Amino acid sequence: DAGITQSPRHKVTETGTPVTLRCHQTENHRYMYWYRQDPGHGLRLIHYSYGVKDTDKGEVSDGYSVSRSKTEDFLLTLESATSSQTSVYFCAITAQDEQFFGPGTRLTVL
Amino acid sequence: SQKIEQNSEALNIQEGKTATLTCNYTNYSPAYLQWYRQDPGRGPVFLLLIRENEKEKRKERLKVTFDTTLKQSLFHITASQPADSATYLCALPLRGSTLGRLYFGRGTQLTVWP
Repeated sequence: DAGITQSPRHKVTETGTPVTLRCHQTENHRYMYWYRQDPGHGLRLIHYSYGVKDTDKGEVSDGYSVSRSKTEDFLLTLESATSSQTSVYFCAITAQDEQFFGPGTRLTVL
Repeated sequence: SQKIEQNSEALNIQEGKTATLTCNYTNYSPAYLQWYRQDPGRGPVFLLLIRENEKEKRKERLKVTFDTTLKQSLFHITASQPADSATYLCALPLRGSTLGRLYFGRGTQLTVWP
């Protein structure tokens, strides 16, 4: 599993509240990614990072921000959660062209 | 961008048969293509990578082909077992990206019945 953990694993929140999801890796990988997975859409890239403080937008970045102040942690923030952000969120790292995924966070926005 | 189509949302086959899943892409030909397996409630798990100059790659009961003329990859599971039941995703890299960015297909849910 490339030492990837995500927290929390489940969260229920209300519309308009801020939410931060954490991805932690233990193997010093440079590249990290946040995806969301929804029925009918598959996995879609939200943001990614190619180093400490180096991040960029993916396909569906609106409403999300990220930060990476340490190699091992990549944070995804929903500044003001909306119901359309109800989804399963996966963090991933790349090692030698393969992506390894975390266990996912199921987020429900009421 | 890249559009990826996987042949069907669901495929049901009998144990022992060969499952064949299709991944078609529409735009540029990628430098490589990957297949992942995803079980319910879990993250995808990498299975195989095939590069543009490789026609076929095998790993145990798995075989992947890559036809850049047809813009298609076929993923075969021979002697299928109920434990092979899962969703299978194909993925292609973003053109010219050196940052590991991937596009994923929506997946094909495979069910192998005894």
